[in-house]
Amino acid sequence: AQKVTQAQTEISVVEKEDVTLDCVYETRDTTYYLFWYKQPPSGELVFLIRRNSFDEQNEISGRYSWNFQKSTSSFNFTITASQVVDSAVYFCALSEYTGNQFYFGTGTSLTVIP
Amino acid sequence: DVKVTQSSRYLVKRTGEKVFLECVQDMDHENMFWYRQDPGLGLRLIYFSYDVKMKEKGDIPEGYSVSREKKERFSLILESASTNQTSMYLCASSTSVREIISNQPQHFGDGTRLSIL
Repeated sequence: AQKVTQAQTEISVVEKEDVTLDCVYETRDTTYYLFWYKQPPSGELVFLIRRNSFDEQNEISGRYSWNFQKSTSSFNFTITASQVVDSAVYFCALSEYTGNQFYFGTGTSLTVIP
Repeated sequence: DVKVTQSSRYLVKRTGEKVFLECVQDMDHENMFWYRQDPGLGLRLIYFSYDVKMKEKGDIPEGYSVSREKKERFSLILESASTNQTSMYLCASSTSVREIISNQPQHFGDGTRLSIL
């Protein structure tokens, strides 16, 4: 079974629209960590945010915001007022404290149309 | 800034060849990782290492081996390359806090696109 599910394979939005990228995870650990990475066309994955399982506070960083809900095992990512530079593949990832396991989702390809 | 450097951006090899992919990081990170990225499958962990000469299997270690003789360098070896190993290979590194590997973000290289003919 997939540990991290990103159901949206591809999303296209028009510039300045808001867009939410979904991430659902599965784990039996009580201690775990969630991450979002951005992979622009150049190929290098860039770290965006980390959340640990004990901190359910939502976070905002400029146009980016993250909604972590343990009740639904989701860690969704919203981009407000999207820009062309946001076009990339976005990966959600889970790492488990027990056994040091690392899992990535299959990624969501976001295209922002000018 | 952390710099993770992979020796080749593109590589073409033949079936049956022994292939070495090299990765070097400059931030004295304890942990290093090798992933492969395939369309529709995301990133899958091949091996990781949490210390010199130490290694752990990831989800898909078959057909691969690794070597970590120095802290800054982590090599991925395809013992006898096959066409199903054509893929994008990504190296990453991370630090450990209080000897916990899993809670720190990973820093990635640009990737090596490997084609096996």
